[in-house]
Amino acid sequence: AQKVTQAQTEISVVEKEDVTLDCVYETRDTTYYLFWYKQPPSGELVFLIRRNSFDEQNEISGRYSWNFQKSTSSFNFTITASQVVDSAVYFCALSEAGSYQLTFGKGTKLSVIP
Amino acid sequence: DSGVTQTPKHLITATGQRVTLRCSPRSGDLSVYWYQQSLDQGLQFLIQYYNGEERAKGNILERFSAQQFPDLHSELNLSSLELGDSALYFCASSPKLGVSDTQYFGPGTRLTVL
Repeated sequence: AQKVTQAQTEISVVEKEDVTLDCVYETRDTTYYLFWYKQPPSGELVFLIRRNSFDEQNEISGRYSWNFQKSTSSFNFTITASQVVDSAVYFCALSEAGSYQLTFGKGTKLSVIP
Repeated sequence: DSGVTQTPKHLITATGQRVTLRCSPRSGDLSVYWYQQSLDQGLQFLIQYYNGEERAKGNILERFSAQQFPDLHSELNLSSLELGDSALYFCASSPKLGVSDTQYFGPGTRLTVL
């Protein structure tokens, strides 16, 4: 069965600090997809990134970067020079081949303090 | 703005009542998904429709039902409501029927059962 663990329930950082959000997943499939979503205080879920299991190349998008390591079943998310607008709950999610649903972690609440 | 619309934004009702949540997918998307977000269960997949047909079922209660209409909008019907059904209900859509598809989420409907 698929499972996503986000061990960090809440993180607080001071503005401009770097912060890494951890995500560990479990799956028996060799083909799967990993996602990160952001849920700001307004409540909507905003898609950030999708990564397939055959692409271990790290990705950078502005201040955001993602580190995918199959050896440790992890897909971590780093925000560089954090800003107050980054304050949100961040969810890691997994979808397996043959299953159309997303399995979400419990989320990490990030608070960036000015 | 993801392009997915959900109405109403908020819904307050009493136990035992029935409500209908509505979702319009992004233009061109054929798949619609429903998720429930509650404090104790987190984000959970309920059901998926593709081009009018049910394709996957998750932890959806028998009191809940859904359908997707020919114009591709979807409705989630919740009946015999209980206090525990209070949650944020999300609709998501994706272009087709594939595990690689990114699901784009609507703003959610917050249901409060009193």
